[in-house]
Amino acid sequence: QKEVEQNSGPLSVPEGAIASLNCTYSDRGSQSFFWYRQYSGKSPELIMFIYSNGDKEDGRFTAQLNKASQYVSLLIRDSQPSDSATYLCAVNRSGGSYIPTFGRGTSLIVHP
Amino acid sequence: NAGVTQTPKFRILKIGQSMTLQCTQDMNHNYMYWYRQDPGMGLKLIYYSVGAGITDKGEVPNGYNVSRSTTEDFPLRLELAAPSQTSVYFCASSYPDRDPGELFFGEGSRLTVL
Repeated sequence: QKEVEQNSGPLSVPEGAIASLNCTYSDRGSQSFFWYRQYSGKSPELIMFIYSNGDKEDGRFTAQLNKASQYVSLLIRDSQPSDSATYLCAVNRSGGSYIPTFGRGTSLIVHP
Repeated sequence: NAGVTQTPKFRILKIGQSMTLQCTQDMNHNYMYWYRQDPGMGLKLIYYSVGAGITDKGEVPNGYNVSRSTTEDFPLRLELAAPSQTSVYFCASSYPDRDPGELFFGEGSRLTVL
């Protein structure tokens, strides 16, 4: 069973701070990594994907990937109360699969 | 363009009843998925399909069945409902050749088995 592990939180940060969300995975052959945001009672929506080692920036969001350590993270700069949600890490199975395995998600609370 | 549409949004079943959750997408996606999400947990894959006529089991297939007779539709059948099947069910679709890895989700179907 390939695992994707996340701290369930909640992670509480003040408005304007940097929120750091972490994820580890067990399938060493995985090539594709995703972060989804899920508001309470809603369906997940993709916010970032990353395929290569290093950082990928998109606005206030930065995804970081370290395949050697089997670790992927999401940084949210200038956190806003509207960022309060659960963030799900997803990892595609190895072998070029497009079948993602999801972590349990980290709940983020941004307080004013 | 409606995206992924799931019906019903809410349903209460008695133990032992059966039902079908409907899922249809109008994006001509070849991949479709069914996940369930229990409170405080991530998404667990029930079944998936890589194209019409092709389905495969995910992590938690027991108690469920699927079919994929068309590209658009991917219904999930629950036979002999049990309280352990109380969950929120999400259908999703993707087109990996164009948008690798991005899943488009329906709004979810909340099922309670009493």
